[in-house]
Amino acid sequence: QQQVKQSPQSLIVQKGGISIINCAYENTAFDYFPWYQQFPGKGPALLIAIRPDVSEKKEGRFTISFNKSAKQFSLHIMDSQPGDSATYFCAATQAGTALIFGKGTTLSVSS
Amino acid sequence: EAGVAQSPRYKIIEKRQSVAFWCNPISGHATLYWYQQILGQGPKLLIQFQNNGVVDDSQLPKDRFSAERLKGVDSTLKIQPAKLEDSAVYLCASSRNTGPETQYFGPGTRLLVL
Repeated sequence: QQQVKQSPQSLIVQKGGISIINCAYENTAFDYFPWYQQFPGKGPALLIAIRPDVSEKKEGRFTISFNKSAKQFSLHIMDSQPGDSATYFCAATQAGTALIFGKGTTLSVSS
Repeated sequence: EAGVAQSPRYKIIEKRQSVAFWCNPISGHATLYWYQQILGQGPKLLIQFQNNGVVDDSQLPKDRFSAERLKGVDSTLKIQPAKLEDSAVYLCASSRNTGPETQYFGPGTRLLVL
């Protein structure tokens, strides 16, 4: 019940395309859903996050879509660029407890 | 503001040896986390401190891992003795409060146990 399942494991997208990464969770007590971006040799960096009282949040080219009834949320990267090539992790938490991370998606944007 | 600092960045040891990692969080951040990230997986929490007190160490293998944050600022994580399966990146993160939305990660220490 504490797991966060992330898919796909890897993704190749052409420059200018849309990258979509999906996550699913079981624990309905989760109340915060962030996405982290990690480059090789670096720690994860917060990209965008959402709370379950909204269905969508957009920041620049990055959008989180949240479906509370399906217990799913996804990251959309519009106009994907080579600089977006990184590993993306979804995560979930409740009431200030530790983040539970998905296994990650390695995104490669080809030019 | 300066980010989370960690050292060393890389460490290679043989199994059954001991190793220690150091973390200095962002100034003013009360909460400090140690995560273990095994290759191909997401980070997994080992221990969470609020100031110098332990909030959550439920996933810390206490027979070999220990951590301390004596003055409520920097922290050390120790493995004694190390096993092959401890090969991973050890990430330190900090946040101003217990709210995860303010959690900032350091660059990590990559440990290889031979």
